[in-house]
Amino acid sequence: GQQLNQSPQSMFIQEGEDVSMNCTSSSIFNTWLWYKQEPGEGPVLLIALYKAGELTSNGRLTAQFGITRKDSFLNISASIPSDVGIYFCAGPLNTGFQKLVFGTGTRLLVSP
Amino acid sequence: GAVVSQHPSWVICKSGTSVKIECRSLDFQATTMFWYRQFPKQSLMLMATSNEGSKATYEQGVEKDKFLINHASLTLSTLTVTSAHPEDSSFYICSARRAEETQYFGPGTRLLVL
Repeated sequence: GQQLNQSPQSMFIQEGEDVSMNCTSSSIFNTWLWYKQEPGEGPVLLIALYKAGELTSNGRLTAQFGITRKDSFLNISASIPSDVGIYFCAGPLNTGFQKLVFGTGTRLLVSP
Repeated sequence: GAVVSQHPSWVICKSGTSVKIECRSLDFQATTMFWYRQFPKQSLMLMATSNEGSKATYEQGVEKDKFLINHASLTLSTLTVTSAHPEDSSFYICSARRAEETQYFGPGTRLLVL
């Protein structure tokens, strides 16, 4: 089945640093979603990307839809302690978001 | 907004008992609801998809008689873990989808089976 691999698996950074993480797939996706999950909570949608090459920002977060449609990147600028959590990429297995497949996740820890 | 709630937020039960988890879309009608399971330090794995008024569609490897799903209305879906065993201990997350939109996730239910 389709798999989404994320790297790095985890990151431990200092407050104020910028963060980059990526998500790759063995097959093409027409939509990329980035979620954040905090401990004991469900995922919250951060950014949705709908077009190859698209670059979208949400505050300090910026995500890009790769040209090949097989990858996506998420950047966080000037990290703060509340950025701590697990970041998941996800893509719909079919049109209409009927099913989502989630990436393996990147765990982010931010030291004050 | 699009708020999804789950109840209970956590539950501890004895092995062999059944546990029901509710998922509600609070401010919208959900055409479809989804149930996921997440083991510690792992990603979310889709268990089943349910549409209001019809039988749920289960993913490969998920036992439908073990995980009973009832989608009684456009705002409520329930997952019942029957005859729970310690290996069923996990974080169960539901999501709800409005027509042609992405999924909105609930806060999750942590199940511990002793």
